Amino acid sequence: QSVLTQPPSVSGAPGQRVTISCTGSSSNIGATYDVHWYQHLPGTAPKLLIYDNNNRPSGVPDRFSGSKSGTSASLAITGLQAEDEADYYCQSYDSSLSGYVFGTGTKVTVL
Amino acid sequence: EVQLVESGGGLVQPGGSLRLSCAPSGFNFNDYAMRWVRQAPGKGLEWVSGVSAGGFSTYYAESVKGRFTISRDTSKNTLYLQMNSLRAEDTAVYFCAKSRGGGRNSGFDHWGQGTLVTVSS
Repeated sequence: QSVLTQPPSVSGAPGQRVTISCTGSSSNIGATYDVHWYQHLPGTAPKLLIYDNNNRPSGVPDRFSGSKSGTSASLAITGLQAEDEADYYCQSYDSSLSGYVFGTGTKVTVL
Repeated sequence: EVQLVESGGGLVQPGGSLRLSCAPSGFNFNDYAMRWVRQAPGKGLEWVSGVSAGGFSTYYAESVKGRFTISRDTSKNTLYLQMNSLRAEDTAVYFCAKSRGGGRNSGFDHWGQGTLVTVSS
């Protein structure tokens, strides 16, 4: 039972821009805890894509960007590429649960 | 290069026990908090447990509290997850992950490939 809500799927043609929303509450994103984003291909290790709301680790293309406002966050992928097809998860900390929480996950499909 | 290699998964009967291990390399294991995350078949990621860099503080999701124990052995450079009283709903791929920094605000910057735990009779 995830406490961070994401759309189940988003899709776009190559080169287009897609965004993934992550909606939380006052005990997690709204409590100023940072949001992090992960890319996950089934059968592989998840990969940190965005940390601390809007920072990219070394090696992550600048096509990926993150933002946060209030109790929500979002991940944007511009110039969509076939290799971007994967599952994406947001993650934060929840003070009510005293633990880390992940979003419900979003499958990105490149048409 | 940072690497995390999990082992110890397998098939276990309900009520049984299993101990997972995670062998880190490429960074100073003693300097970072570590975490376990799982993914049940067809489901999303779920945080399971965490341990501080020094090993003195441990944290658990409500779903595993009282049944799972996280620990780290600095002499063996290994992270563990002892899982007791296993249930069918614990069936999942278990990933170990490294904290990017200190504190509860840090993301998980490196992950292992995971080890599959199946709880079934």
